Amino acid sequence: NAGVTQTPKFQVLKTGQSMTLQCAQDMNHNSMYWYRQDPGMGLRLIYYSASEGTTDKGEVPNGYNVSRLNKREFSLRLESAAPSQTSVYFCASSDMGVSNQPQHFGDGTRLSIL
Amino acid sequence: KQEVTQIPAALSVPEGENLVLNCSFTDSAIYNLQWFRQDPGKGLTSLLLIQSSQREQTSGRLNASLDKSSGRSTLYIAASQPGDSATYLCAVQLTDSWGKLQFGAGTQVVVTP
Repeated sequence: NAGVTQTPKFQVLKTGQSMTLQCAQDMNHNSMYWYRQDPGMGLRLIYYSASEGTTDKGEVPNGYNVSRLNKREFSLRLESAAPSQTSVYFCASSDMGVSNQPQHFGDGTRLSIL
Repeated sequence: KQEVTQIPAALSVPEGENLVLNCSFTDSAIYNLQWFRQDPGKGLTSLLLIQSSQREQTSGRLNASLDKSSGRSTLYIAASQPGDSATYLCAVQLTDSWGKLQFGAGTQVVVTP
């Protein structure tokens, strides 16, 4: 059982380049989330999708866009990468239809912007 | 705005000693509180979830308590082992938040043999 799969695992970009981080879950969860983790700051929510067809901003959405492609897949796009977006990005999913279920996380994408 | 704090930021204990990790939060209107473990270079693994109506939750050597009135949760790990070395994060889910979590910065734990 793969759980939450993120690709790529590592990426180096130059300032101004664009890229899309991919996330897929095989647990039939309806809600998916994108977080970033910076040293000493814990995880902060970028965007989330409560259900297929809906997306909404989290705490730090500036510079990012998302697409909920279907129930399984939720992608995060950086249109014009900036050094401040150097971080570790985590995708998570949960089943909001079942109360009090923990979120399940992928292994992360380590992104460096030069 | 909900603030989640974990103190200390780092902790080193000898093998066999009990671990006590603290988490505090400012808004008591929580739906649940979750404890996660993170190994270096890896994602987060759920350890325990305490519902807002519960006072504690247990799994093996792990026990987590919740006191909403004081805005605190404590994770106890009994008889620590070197394999318990990791970063432990707590996160709160507010009511009506569509599952969104607010995380603390974590406590990095090292258990020495």
